Formats: sequence, C-alpha cells, structure tokens
Amino acid sequence: EDKVVQSPLSLVVHEGDTVTLNCSYEVTNFRSLLWYKQEKKAPTFLFMLTSSGIEKKSGRLSSILDKKELFSILNITATQTGDSAVYLCAVLLYNTDKLIFGTGTRLQVFP
Amino acid sequence: NAGVTQTPKFRILKIGQSMTLQCAQDMNHNYMYWYRQDPGMGLKLIYYSVGAGITDKGEVPNGYNVSRSTTEDFPLRLELAAPSQTSVYFCASSDSVESSYNEQFFGPGTRLTVL
Repeated sequence: EDKVVQSPLSLVVHEGDTVTLNCSYEVTNFRSLLWYKQEKKAPTFLFMLTSSGIEKKSGRLSSILDKKELFSILNITATQTGDSAVYLCAVLLYNTDKLIFGTGTRLQVFP
Repeated sequence: NAGVTQTPKFRILKIGQSMTLQCAQDMNHNYMYWYRQDPGMGLKLIYYSVGAGITDKGEVPNGYNVSRSTTEDFPLRLELAAPSQTSVYFCASSDSVESSYNEQFFGPGTRLTVL
C-alpha cells in the first residue's frame, strides 16, 4: 500500500527559530514529491521535487529530496507568525497521476 | 481566470439525504480530482478523472459517485448521506501528465456536515 508519513505531527516554535519538517514515503511508481501550505482553506502549492539532491528555494523556505532514502525535508528559516499553518507533503505517482498525501505537520509560530 | 471553483461553500444535510457538490475549472485541464479532508488529517482521494467521459476510483470512493461529461465540470454526488461523510471536500485540477510542471490547483473547499 502506498503511504506518505510526515513528522513531527505538530511543532511549536518562537519567531526567528528555524524548523525542519520531514516527509518519508513508500510508493510504487514515484514521479514527484510536492509540498503544500494549508492555512484556513485550500492548500497552496510550495514546491515540486523530482530529482534527488537539488535544493529548491523560495525566500525563507527550502526543500530537498532524497530518492535513495525515500524522504524529503522542508526547511523554514527565521520563522514568522505568518508561517503558522499545516504543511502537507504529497507524492505524485506515474501512470495514474494520483497524489498521495501525508497527514501534515501543524506548525505554530509564536511571537 | 477563476481557476477552480466549488459550490456550495457550506452545507448541512440530514442522514439519508442526497446532494451534489459542484466543481468547475476554466484552465482547460484534463485531470480533475475530488478529495476529502477530515479534521486533523491529510487529504484522501475519492475519485479522479483523466478527461471527459473517464473517471476512476481513488482511496475512499464508497458512498460517492462522479461524472465528467465536459472538460470543465466534475460534480461529486452523495446519494445517502451518512455522518461519516462529514468533512471538507476539495476539488482540484491539473494539466496532463506530459506537462513538465504537474501542479494541482485546488478549489476553496466545501464544508459538509451530516447530522
């Protein structure tokens, strides 16, 4: 059975801290791994990772994929209260084009 | 472009009632998806479609039906609502699998409560 596991489930930090969110997967026909940020409504897209070892960056957020060890991390540096959200990891499969989601990591950033 | 739109935003149903959740996209995407998200949980795929006239089951299809008569619309039907179907429902769409940037675009969600 295809599965995506995220850790930790919940994280509470203070502004300015750096956090690392983890995503591991066991799937057949891996195509890509995607990260989403979900605040109150629909998830918004952050990154799509297809190749191992190539870091993707967007401001204070960065992510990297390890296809040998089957995991990805999402780093957020100098966290702000606006980073408070649930961060979802999802794996895109070949052939079916289905996304398998993890349960998410809830990040709370306090001033 | 409106992107992916969903209606209604909220709905309360009684057990045994039926309803249709509407989803439309104006990006000419071939692929469309329905997910449900239970409190504190990730998204689970209910049904998906790779093009007009083609649908397939996802992880949790029981209790739901879909149709895809046009590229733009992908309605989700609940025939006999049950409390276990209380959830937030998201519709999404994406370009074809041949696209080099296969991002899924999400609608704003429909919050459904079955009492």
